[in-house]
Order: sequence, then structure tokens, then C-alpha cells
Amino acid sequence: EVQLVESGGGLVQPGGSLRLSCAASGFIVSTYEMNWVRQAPGKGLEWVSHITTSGSNLDYADSVKGRFTISRDNAKNSLYLQMNSLRVEDTAVYYCSRQSEYYDSSGYLFDPKPMDVWGKGTTVTVSS
Amino acid sequence: QSVLTQPPSVSGAPGQTVTISCTGSSSNFAAGYDVHWYRQLPGTAPKLLIYGNNNRPSGVPDRFSGSKSGTSASLAISGLQAEDEADYYCQSYDTSLSGGVFGGGTKVTVL
Repeated sequence: EVQLVESGGGLVQPGGSLRLSCAASGFIVSTYEMNWVRQAPGKGLEWVSHITTSGSNLDYADSVKGRFTISRDNAKNSLYLQMNSLRVEDTAVYYCSRQSEYYDSSGYLFDPKPMDVWGKGTTVTVSS
Repeated sequence: QSVLTQPPSVSGAPGQTVTISCTGSSSNFAAGYDVHWYRQLPGTAPKLLIYGNNNRPSGVPDRFSGSKSGTSASLAISGLQAEDEADYYCQSYDTSLSGGVFGGGTKVTVL
């Protein structure tokens, strides 16, 4: 079964750090583009970060650039998000998601690739 | 303020059709990027509902349909059912932000 399971969330003080993990099963993480998406309490979805299959391209939302780092461990088939200098506004449920290639009948590859597998999320609370 | 603009809420009676708009700009939809739609039930993770503007993944009923033209996209739900009550999000890519973008989300209420 294709599955993503996040872990590592918790309560942390402002200025602190956390490392989120996302364990994949049923597929090989390194063969898919992967993302972190977060949702603050009562708010909508916010894209946070993205890693390409090669791992050479890392993208970040402006709100986390310079503070968060996305990475991958191919041997553990896992995705990570290192979060430093945490702020109260980083409080959210953090989801990891997989992007897959989808084509139309003429062979056109949809861009961006849709996020077709999501984990259940892990909660991060930043508070003093 | 989301890059993609959605109405906060829409509602309809059972059996009716509701439409959710998603307004983008020259740096996302008009730049040629496709739109995807996700449904999120309370307390659960989002789930892919429509991909590539108007395509349904396996298992999604044909009551759900999407479209995209210029700087706008829309999701239509026909034959509205009580189980359709959820939050719906559009998603694409934005060149000016160099990253993924989501709409602010629309809550669908079945009257």
C-alpha cells in the first residue's frame, strides 16, 4: 500500500528547532518530487517546500526561506523538514505529499504535477 | 492573501449544482500552468479530486468536473449530496514565487 507517515511534531518555544520526518512505503521516494504543505489552525493549505527527484533543486515559500531545510534519505526512503528559528506563526499541521506524473490522451504532461498521495500530518505548536 | 482567489463559501440544496471559482494571474494560470483541485474533510488530509484542469482520478464520481480558461479555473459539483460538505482547494504553480500555490479554500455547505 502506498503510504506516507509524518512524525516529529510537538510543542516548541519560539526560536527553537524541530525536525519532521515523513516515512514512505509502497513506493520509492527518490523517484518522485515531494513536498511539505502546512495548515494553520482554522486556515487553508500553504505550500512550504519542494524537492526534485535529483535532490538538486530545493524550493521554499518566502515565509520559511532561510529557516527551513528540506532533505531526503534514500536509504531510509524518507523525507525530512528541518525547521529552525521557529515562530508562533509556524504553528500548523504539516503534511508531506507526493507529486506524480499525469498525462492527457495526447501525451501532454500536466504541470505542475498533482499531489496524489498525502500523509495524515503531524502537528507543530510554537508557543512560550 | 492567497495567490489563487476562491470564495470562502458556497452552498446549495441537495441535487443542485454549485460552482467554485479560482482566480489566478499571468504568473500562474495564464503562464500555462495547470490547476488541480483537492477536497478536505474535517480533521483529515487533503485528497486529490481533479487533476490537470478537468480530469478525475479513479474513484471520483463524474458529478465533479473542472475547467480552466485564461486566468480563471472552476470546479463544479452537480447533483449535490450531503457527503459533498467539505473544504475544496485549487492548486497550481506560480513563476513569480517559484513554488506551489493554493487557493484560500472554499467551504461547501449542503442546505
